[in-house]
Amino acid sequence: DTGVSQNPRHKITKRGQNVTFRCDPISEHNRLYWYRQTLGQGPEFLTYFQNEAQLEKSRLLSDRFSAERPKGSFSTLEIQRTEQGDSAMYLCASSHSGSYMNTEAFFGQGTRLTVV
Amino acid sequence: GIQVEQSPPDLILQEGANSTLRCNFSDSVNNLQWFHQNPWGQLINLFYIPSGTKQNGRLSATTVATERYSLLYISSSQTTDSGVYFCAVEQASGTYKYIFGTGTRLKVLA
Repeated sequence: DTGVSQNPRHKITKRGQNVTFRCDPISEHNRLYWYRQTLGQGPEFLTYFQNEAQLEKSRLLSDRFSAERPKGSFSTLEIQRTEQGDSAMYLCASSHSGSYMNTEAFFGQGTRLTVV
Repeated sequence: GIQVEQSPPDLILQEGANSTLRCNFSDSVNNLQWFHQNPWGQLINLFYIPSGTKQNGRLSATTVATERYSLLYISSSQTTDSGVYFCAVEQASGTYKYIFGTGTRLKVLA
C-alpha cells in the first residue's frame, strides 16, 4: 500500500466552475477525513466518513460543497460554483476506527486549488 | 469545541541546537498526533502519542493527558527539520475528528 492518494495535485479553475477532487485511502482504513488548509493556518476539519456513512460535517462545509464515499472505498469532494475564497489546499486522511484500534490518521499530499 | 494551542508560534535555531515545542488542549482527548509539514504541504507523521513518552531518533514526545499538554523535543536540530509542526487531537467526547493546533514554524539556520 502506497498510502493515501489524492488527485489531482493541483487544480486551477475559473470562478463559477465546478471542481471535483478524489481521495483513495489506505485500503484497510474505514475512516476517511477531508480538511482544508489556507496559507499560514492549520488544517480545518470539513467532514468525515466511517465506511460509506458521512458522520459529521463542519459548518465550514457550505451548500456548495458535497462529499461522497460510495461503497466505503474512495471519496470525492465536489465544490460547485467556486469562489476565490475556496482557494486552499484540500487534504484527505484515513485511519482505522474502533475503541481498541490505533486510530492514527495518515494524510495524502493534498490538492491545491486556485480559483481565478 | 476543544481548543488546541501551540507555542512558540515561531522559532529560529542554529543547527545543532535543541528545542521544545508545546501543545496545550482544553478538554480530554482520546488521541494526539504530532506532524511535520514539509514545504510542499505534505503532513508527515511524527508521533501517535495519546499518553506517555516516545522517541524516534533525534525526536521525542511526551503527552501528559491528565494535565492536557504534550511536548515535542528536537535535539541536535538540522536544516531539514525546518517547516511547520502541528499537533492534532481527537476529542474524547464521541466525535472522531482530529482538531489541529495553530502550529509552530521552525527555521534551522546552517
